[in-house]
Amino acid sequence: DIQMTQSPSSLPASVGDRVIITCRASQGISAYLAWYQQKPGKVPKLLIYAASTLQSGVPSRFSGSGSGTDFALIISSLQPEDVATYYCQQYNSVPHTFGGGTKVQI
Amino acid sequence: QVQLVQSGAEVKKPGASVKVSCKASGYNFNDYYIHWLRQAPGQGLEWMGWINPNNGGTMYAQKFQGRVTMTRDTSINTAYMELSRLRSDDTAMFYCAKDWLSGYYTDYWGQGTLVTVSS
Repeated sequence: DIQMTQSPSSLPASVGDRVIITCRASQGISAYLAWYQQKPGKVPKLLIYAASTLQSGVPSRFSGSGSGTDFALIISSLQPEDVATYYCQQYNSVPHTFGGGTKVQI
Repeated sequence: QVQLVQSGAEVKKPGASVKVSCKASGYNFNDYYIHWLRQAPGQGLEWMGWINPNNGGTMYAQKFQGRVTMTRDTSINTAYMELSRLRSDDTAMFYCAKDWLSGYYTDYWGQGTLVTVSS
């Protein structure tokens, strides 16, 4: 199985901050990576697929980068509504493994 | 609009089985895989497998092989996930999710079904 390692696990930040979450795959996954946002008590929501393609309706302050084994989710200017846990997921091969999550707090 | 509506919460005893349903609407059910995932209380997301509604083909995570069965009924646009030999550590929110196409990422999720396993 491909292991996905996210860091940090917890990220305190301030409104307006540039926030970067990283995700590392244990082997190359090309660009078969998605990012999800899960707000407290809510269902996960797709933010980014193919490592850097923004899902329709997602604010442009979110962006993704990377390929191979190293990836990043960037929030250019953190907003209060961005408080959530963020997960990366590889879909290069089964099982489609997730990172452990990054909890972003204001 | 795409909607996935799951069945209600369940309470089961250890050793029992649970079957969760996921009714799809707003798109052609046969054309997109359905994934099943779970999330234990306070924990992260775990992928369980998928089903191809077109032909019923399945792919399960090895962790669940032998305990999970994914099926579908195309006449009512509904997918099912049955987990057997339940243990207390199977207590979790179970989600169905629509694939972007066939074996990729998921773009729409159901509301979740809480399964509690307790004696």
